Amino acid sequence: EADIYQTPRYLVIGTGKKITLECSQTMGHDKMYWYQQDPGMELHLIHYSYGVNSTEKGDLSSESTVSRIRTEHFPLTLESARPSHTSQYLCASSPVLSQGPNYGYTFGSGTRLTVV
Amino acid sequence: GNSVTQMEGPVTLSEEAFLTINCTYTATGYPSLFWYVQYPGEGLQLLLKATKADDKGSNKGFEATYRKETTSFHLEKGSVQVSDSAVYFCALRAMMGGSNYKLTFGKGTLLTVNP
Repeated sequence: EADIYQTPRYLVIGTGKKITLECSQTMGHDKMYWYQQDPGMELHLIHYSYGVNSTEKGDLSSESTVSRIRTEHFPLTLESARPSHTSQYLCASSPVLSQGPNYGYTFGSGTRLTVV
Repeated sequence: GNSVTQMEGPVTLSEEAFLTINCTYTATGYPSLFWYVQYPGEGLQLLLKATKADDKGSNKGFEATYRKETTSFHLEKGSVQVSDSAVYFCALRAMMGGSNYKLTFGKGTLLTVNP
């Protein structure tokens, strides 16, 4: 079944550690996105990609980085985690541009990151 | 630019009550409109959508009608259940410069349904 997977679901890690949040999708979607969700529920776009070797920063500045070497894989990395990075991180994907605006995004289940 | 304004919560209802969550939007061009639901500890799931004026999206007893004249897409359900307790996001997808279509979300409305 086509889907989008995020691992780990929960992560507690110490300050200064390097972490990578994984996101993979099996739907062949060209476009992928990372959102940070604050405790007040609001979603903030932090990174997006329109295809392999394409990455852009989103609306909210983030110290994280992303890569897109394969269509299906869009990992997010924090080189040195800090307590301010504690949040829920959601990955999403969407079909190719030719299908226009009529399609929404498909979301993963999220990674809840806690930096202590 | 594009924006979505939705009713601030939290909203607390008793089981079988009528639900309305208001959503209005500002967009260039002809947006598509969406409602997403986020259950506790989960990611967002598409609840329903409408792609042109006067379309009605419906799913799981929820409905929303794309009203271009009032730029609104209010979510309604005639009889809520405890299992409907979740956060609801209104969103639009429209041209954002060039040929890019990005999804713009509202801030979310927390719904709690008590038995």
